[in-house]
Amino acid sequence: AQTVTQSQPEMSVQEAETVTLSCTYDTSENNYYLFWYKQPPSRQMILVIRQEAYKQQNATENRFSVNFQKAAKSFSLKISDSQLGDTAMYFCAFMKEGTSGTYKYIFGTGTRLKVLA
Amino acid sequence: ETGVTQSPTHLIKTRGQQVTLRCSSQSGHNTVSWYQQALGQGPQFIFQYYREEENGRGNFPPRFSGLQFPNYSSELNVNALELDDSALYLCASSLRTGVLIREAFFGQGTRLTVV
Repeated sequence: AQTVTQSQPEMSVQEAETVTLSCTYDTSENNYYLFWYKQPPSRQMILVIRQEAYKQQNATENRFSVNFQKAAKSFSLKISDSQLGDTAMYFCAFMKEGTSGTYKYIFGTGTRLKVLA
Repeated sequence: ETGVTQSPTHLIKTRGQQVTLRCSSQSGHNTVSWYQQALGQGPQFIFQYYREEENGRGNFPPRFSGLQFPNYSSELNVNALELDDSALYLCASSLRTGVLIREAFFGQGTRLTVV
């Protein structure tokens, strides 16, 4: 069974600085997807960034980028120029096709990020 | 804001009662999944519906059941509520075309409290 581990329960960063959130996962599969989702106090899960395992190039979305190390099964998120609005819970998630064509997310336990003014 | 809406936003029920949660998926999406998020935890997969059929289920008992309608909206039903069912319930919709799946968009969730 796949597992996702986020070892940093809480982190803080000064506004405008850079922070990296860690995520490791365990799978024997070769083809899968990895995601970072953000959950602000409004509770809605918002997609931050997506990475396909077959792509060697690291995904980037504006201030957000990932460091995907497939062999090490590591998928960290870097937030550059942190903004107060980045304060939220961040979840790392793994997805692959299961039996019956099911696509389900396996989430980590989350990292609570606080951006300080 | 995603196009996924859930109702109600908050709900308080008594142990042993039954509850129905509703989800309106994003336009054009044909797949709906439900997740349970206990306090301080990541969401856990309950089940998934694709074209009105359940096509995957997590480690949840049969008293958790669901439906998907022709317009791809969905319901989650929980019978015989237990205190441990208190959680945030998230609906996620996505588009599946053949073997390709796009990322899911989540609703704002329903906070269920069982007393």
